Amino acid sequence: EAGVAQSPRYKIIEKRQSVAFWCNPISGHATLYWYQQILGQGPKLLIQFQNNGVVDDSQLPKDRFSAERLKGVDSTLKIQPAKLEDSAVYLCASSPTLVASDEQFFGPGTRLTVL
Amino acid sequence: RKEVEQDPGPFNVPEGATVAFNCTYSNSASQSFFWYRQDCRKEPKLLMSVYSSGNEDGRFTAQLNRASQYISLLIRDSKLSDSATYLCAVNIGDSWGKFQFGAGTQVVVTP
Repeated sequence: EAGVAQSPRYKIIEKRQSVAFWCNPISGHATLYWYQQILGQGPKLLIQFQNNGVVDDSQLPKDRFSAERLKGVDSTLKIQPAKLEDSAVYLCASSPTLVASDEQFFGPGTRLTVL
Repeated sequence: RKEVEQDPGPFNVPEGATVAFNCTYSNSASQSFFWYRQDCRKEPKLLMSVYSSGNEDGRFTAQLNRASQYISLLIRDSKLSDSATYLCAVNIGDSWGKFQFGAGTQVVVTP
């Protein structure tokens, strides 16, 4: 079974530039998560989708971050404009359902460096 | 107070020894708990779920203490390959899958 795919794996940009990340969850998984993991910290939930609807985006900095999952499958996360403090690993995860007992499967992440 | 807190460590453990560490959570309504393992520059991977009755998987034992609001992970007969950061994940109150992760506990197993 293929895992969660993410691209690109690495991205270096200058502040105020834009960047987009892509995630393809495990086939059939209804729930998709985007996390931000800053060095030395645990993953922080940015946004959670159930199929193509947003379940929670309370911690998404909406002035600069946006995310979509238009067809309920793959998803993109965009940052525009980027700030230095956005340097982090952006992890995408998926789970079969919205049930709290479901395991989350993580992708390899995109390591973003903002200069 | 953070919703989920872990001792960052590092816990330096001689090979073959036992190590245990906790994860405290603030939301008494939390229902689901997990331990994830994260190797350096890799993604988190599920190590084990934590059930009310506790559970064991080989050398790993996880327990839940609802009264004191913490979960624990114990590793017996530590191997060099156990060196990693261990993240706890706690669902935030509701029954659906929104989770808060701790910052992780680093374990270093030495020869």
